[in-house]
Amino acid sequence: AQSVSQHNHHVILSEAASLELGCNYSYGGTVNLFWYVQYPGQHLQLLLKYFSGDPLVKGIKGFEAEFIKSKFSFNLRKPSVQWSDTAEYFCAVNARGAAGNKLTFGGGTRVLVKP
Amino acid sequence: DAGITQSPRHKVTETGTPVTLRCHQTENHRYMYWYRQDPGHGLRLIHYSYGVKDTDKGEVSDGYSVSRSKTEDFLLTLESATSSQTSVYFCAIKATGGREKLFFGSGTQLSVL
Repeated sequence: AQSVSQHNHHVILSEAASLELGCNYSYGGTVNLFWYVQYPGQHLQLLLKYFSGDPLVKGIKGFEAEFIKSKFSFNLRKPSVQWSDTAEYFCAVNARGAAGNKLTFGGGTRVLVKP
Repeated sequence: DAGITQSPRHKVTETGTPVTLRCHQTENHRYMYWYRQDPGHGLRLIHYSYGVKDTDKGEVSDGYSVSRSKTEDFLLTLESATSSQTSVYFCAIKATGGREKLFFGSGTQLSVL
């Protein structure tokens, strides 16, 4: 079974600072990778996803993530954060071709952007 | 939001009572999921369904049962609620042709006292 680790539980930074959130997964086969975001009081929304091809993927709101297969990592980045990026971020992995199309989530990282 | 409705949005109940949460979708998708969200644990899969009357367990299925008698409805039942089941419960669907992307409902905040 796959598992996902997010190293930072809480991140606090100021507007215009750069953000990088770590995500590592454990699975021996081919995976699909996702980052979801949950703004305060809202449900999860997809930020970006990686299935194949260019390992650097761009998502909504200026976010990007890089898949490094050798490191089993899929880190999320944003060069300059805004106050509105305050949210909880979840990395998720899906074993390609596995029954049920189940997503396994990491524990989440709470990001607070101070104005 | 892919036409997902969860009910109720909030519920407070007592230990030992049965509780049923409902997830309703309007777009006839095959796959439906129930997750619980707890601080530090992210979202953990409870049960999922891949069709009418076709369900399977997730990683935290103990104490929960599900039913799917119609494509549009996926019910999660806590037969005898415990305080450890206090959580936020999210229903999700995988859109047909959505390549594993999930759409989530707005969640149900359940408190078991």
